[in-house]
Amino acid sequence: EVQLVESGGGLVQPGGSLRLSCAASRFTFSAYSMNWVRQTPGKGLEWISYISSSSSTIYYADSVKGRFTISRDNAKNSLYLHMNSLRAEDTAVYYCARADWLADWGQGTLVTVSS
Amino acid sequence: DIQMTQSPSSLSASVGDRVTITCRASQGIGNDLGWFQQKPGKAPKRLIYAASSLQSGVPSRFSGSGSGTEFTLTISSLQPEDFATYYCLQHNSYPRTFGPGTKVDI
Repeated sequence: EVQLVESGGGLVQPGGSLRLSCAASRFTFSAYSMNWVRQTPGKGLEWISYISSSSSTIYYADSVKGRFTISRDNAKNSLYLHMNSLRAEDTAVYYCARADWLADWGQGTLVTVSS
Repeated sequence: DIQMTQSPSSLSASVGDRVTITCRASQGIGNDLGWFQQKPGKAPKRLIYAASSLQSGVPSRFSGSGSGTEFTLTISSLQPEDFATYYCLQHNSYPRTFGPGTKVDI
């Protein structure tokens, strides 16, 4: 069974930075595209970023473009999300999800942006 | 961007009821649609892919149909463990977009 484990969440002040990680196992990580999705407390789901298997194609939601950077290390079976200039509205649970069609998800990591 | 809408936003039903949730896309997406179930405090779980294909391990009481702009998720006989929020997702183009969700109360 596919396993995705997010880490790196926590409390950060507005304007601060954070790096999220997603450790993948039990599948060939280098063969799949990956995504980050977030969910604000009590609200719905928002896709925020995509990276192709070779990192050649990357997309961002307008809400994070210019502030967040997605990357991956296929040798380490890991996906990352570098988040800069964080705002209160970035407070959410962040999930990594496998493949173009978001077939499998991790358990999520909570990011709280507050002073 | 493709906008996704869902109806109803919430519903109350009884065990054994047949439940239908509708998802509409603002433009045609073929069958590039998935349905997800989310329980409180848990990650979403995919139930249906390619609009009508049942994810392995998902009970057969769940089914999906539709193509183009209108899609449905049907639970043929609601069970207590089906209390959850259901989301549709279009994976036809970026940005990926989700429906706002349908909360099912038992």
